[in-house]
This record gives sequence, structure tokens and C-alpha cells, in this order.
Amino acid sequence: DIVMTQTPLSLSVTPGQPASISCKSSQSLLHSDGQTYLHWYLQRPGQSPQLLIYELSSRFSGVPDRFSGSGSGTDFTLKISRVEAEDVGVYYCMQGTHLPVTFGGGTKVEIK
Amino acid sequence: QLQLQESGPRLMKPSETLSLNCTVSGGSISNSNYYWGWVRQPPGKGLEWIGSIYSSGSTYYNPSLKSRVTISVDASKNQVFLELSSVTAADTAVFFCARHSGLLMFGVTYAFDIWGQGTMVTVSS
Repeated sequence: DIVMTQTPLSLSVTPGQPASISCKSSQSLLHSDGQTYLHWYLQRPGQSPQLLIYELSSRFSGVPDRFSGSGSGTDFTLKISRVEAEDVGVYYCMQGTHLPVTFGGGTKVEIK
Repeated sequence: QLQLQESGPRLMKPSETLSLNCTVSGGSISNSNYYWGWVRQPPGKGLEWIGSIYSSGSTYYNPSLKSRVTISVDASKNQVFLELSSVTAADTAVFFCARHSGLLMFGVTYAFDIWGQGTMVTVSS
């Protein structure tokens, strides 16, 4: 199975400041079709996960443009350009390039 | 607007078989090119993919659970079902159903774009 490692485990951010979350995979997530099936989710407290970024860098419908995804191969990053109070929760990366689907352990984002 | 709602028992005893339903509203399971997946989350922990079923009925399971899992659909009721046999305390979790696309026969899973609210299942004697 592909192991997804997220860092840091937690992050405390002042509103308006940027935040960055790293996700590393144990194998390359570049598929032979040229796509990278790396997705990002936010799970707010007491809620189900919601999709933020799909296929490395595409924002899902309704996701603010302060969220961006980047990376290649085995190293990926989710960036929030200016953190807002509603961004608190746990962020997960997920790989869909290889079966079984696997998720990172999560990064908890809190507001200072 | 498509919505997913999980339902099933809240409390199970060890060795029993867990059966959960996911009712899809606002769209048809059969008239689509989507997969319907199950994901679980033990209390305070991360997410684990259990398996997915295509609208045609093809199933894909996580090898770690494959011997105990069955996913099926009832298109007439617009429902997706999860059965997990021989449960133990380690199976205590919130279970989510979620929609996604992909080409699982080639190993590719697209993002889970719509999730249910989840249902908590506790396994205890």
C-alpha cells in the first residue's frame, strides 16, 4: 500500500497569515496517463470530510481561491494564502493513483 | 442536489456482522457513471477506505478488509449496502459513504466529491 505522510501534525495560525501542509507518498503518484491523483480534504469539527483540491491542483466547486495545491511525484503541498476562522479542522491528503486508496494521517489547523 | 445518508445499528457485539445502508437522494445510483464508496474513521483517528462499488455492480475492496467486506447496491431503492463480518472493537468507527468517479479497473480513483454525514458504530461486549 502507498503510505501517505503528512506534516506537521498540527498548525496554529494567526488569521490572515499563510499556512502550508506537506504530504509525501511512499511511491510516485504520477499515473501513466499523465495525471496525478492526489486530492485534499478538510474535515471540520463534527463534520464529514469535504473536497478542497482534486488531481493535485484543481479547486473543487465553491472552494475559495486562497486554497491551492501543488507538487509532483512524491511531494505535495496544500497552501492557504490567508487563513480564516472557518478554515479550522483537520486536513487530509488522499492518493487515488494506486489501489488501495490511502489517506494521510491528517494535519490539524487551529486559529491563534 | 445529491445527498447521501448512512443508517444502521449503533451498537454491535464482537463476532457479529455489521450491516449499513447508504440512501442516495436527488439522483439515481444506476443512471450514472459513478462509484459509491465506504470510508471509516475510528474515534480520533484518520480515514480508511473500505471499498467501492460501480453503478454496474463491480466491486473493489481494500485488501486489509477484503475477507470480511461485502458491498452491494439495490438500484430500485437507490441504496448502497456495506456488510462487515466478524467485527471486533477495532472496527469501532464512524462509517461514511461517499461518491466518486474513476477507473478502478486500472487502479485509478478520482476524488470523493460528495459524502454522507456518517454513522457511528461501536463494537462492545
